[in-house]
Amino acid sequence: NAGVMQNPRHLVRRRGQEARLRCSPMKGHSHVYWYRQLPEEGLKFMVYLQKENIIDESGMPKERFSAEFPKEGPSILRIQQVVRGDSAAYFCASSPPQGYEQYFGPGTRLTVT
Amino acid sequence: KNEVEQSPQNLTAQEGEFITINCSYSVGISALHWLQQHPGGGIVSLFMLSSGKKKHGRLIATINIQEKHSSLHITASHPRDSAVYICAVGSGSRLTFGEGTQLTVNP
Repeated sequence: NAGVMQNPRHLVRRRGQEARLRCSPMKGHSHVYWYRQLPEEGLKFMVYLQKENIIDESGMPKERFSAEFPKEGPSILRIQQVVRGDSAAYFCASSPPQGYEQYFGPGTRLTVT
Repeated sequence: KNEVEQSPQNLTAQEGEFITINCSYSVGISALHWLQQHPGGGIVSLFMLSSGKKKHGRLIATINIQEKHSSLHITASHPRDSAVYICAVGSGSRLTFGEGTQLTVNP
């Protein structure tokens, strides 16, 4: 049973470009969470999704950031018009329908130049 | 004051020592998680607990719900245990994280 997969592992974007980060949850998991870790800072919750629904997006910046988890395919975290302050590690986690244990992916390290 | 406080922030030990990392939280929770983050950045979930004590190999995690406190213990520490250990509390499905404890175990 493959773990949570994220791609790309490293992403470099110039200011103003768009970044798309993908997360494939573990088999059987229908809940996905995105977290951000800024340099030298702790992890912060961004958004919690179930298939086709955003359940809690209270940690998402109000502009330029969006997330989806379609019926088919991976969850996508999209950052439009990236700025240097978006440089961070973005982690995805998934959990089964019942229970709270979350399994983390390896992260995507975004660098904005 | 952060909702989740860890201590110490940094810890250096000699191989073989018994290690304790503490976590205090100020909010109601459904579960507490201990995570390990290696220098490469990957995160591994070590424990999820809502009461009592759990043990896995040389790792032991305890939680006291009344005192809102948890501890992570490592017995017979080894250099490969060197990592950042993160406490996270769950309320519903959302996790709130401590700042982490940087552990270095010297041979």
